[in-house]
Amino acid sequence: EAAVTQSPRSKVAVTGGKVTLSCHQTNNHDYMYWYRQDTGHGLRLIHYSYVADSTEKGDIPDGYKASRPSQENFSLILELASLSQTAVYFCASSELGDNYAEQFFGPGTRLTVL
Amino acid sequence: GEQVEQRPPHLSVREGDSAIIICTYTDSATAYFSWYKQEAGAGLQLLMSVLSNVDRKEEQGLTVLLNKKDKRLSLNLTAAHPGDSAVYFCAVSPTNAYKVIFGKGTHLHVLP
Repeated sequence: EAAVTQSPRSKVAVTGGKVTLSCHQTNNHDYMYWYRQDTGHGLRLIHYSYVADSTEKGDIPDGYKASRPSQENFSLILELASLSQTAVYFCASSELGDNYAEQFFGPGTRLTVL
Repeated sequence: GEQVEQRPPHLSVREGDSAIIICTYTDSATAYFSWYKQEAGAGLQLLMSVLSNVDRKEEQGLTVLLNKKDKRLSLNLTAAHPGDSAVYFCAVSPTNAYKVIFGKGTHLHVLP
């Protein structure tokens, strides 16, 4: 029933390893976003996408890639994970149009890089 | 670019009291204002949103006030109860961009 799902819900990765976080939405929304949440920083936008096969950089894209193979799916890829990428990652979706700012969030993925 | 300041970072109130959270923003062209609630271990849940032509909106014990002159947005939880304990975020958006800018959050504790 959940409209935005993320997998995995938690992950431990080693420094220098590759990590892929996945997001799936059933809202039929055009926009999808990846944020990271750190204590004291609120949410910061990493990448976003407004159409399949296209992604855009957000405010903190360094060290991250994104992939949007379909309207429903949006992945965040850490090619070489680093300690500083330990955080909680949230995926969100929103409509195109007047309600673009109403975002629907997934439950988050807690990533720990050791 | 747009800056959003949210206060207080922590707020404790007694059950039945009001809780007020305030955000200030810098861009007068900001068009869309929202409040989100995040419960422990969960994602953000949209509570309420208003456009810039709305000064006040009330829904289910929540009141959002928008003062465009002072660039201030507030959320008032009237008669708070323990189930309201969570982190609350304000969010603002310009008219013509994808971008949503979040405040840093307010940890609300409602004591029984």
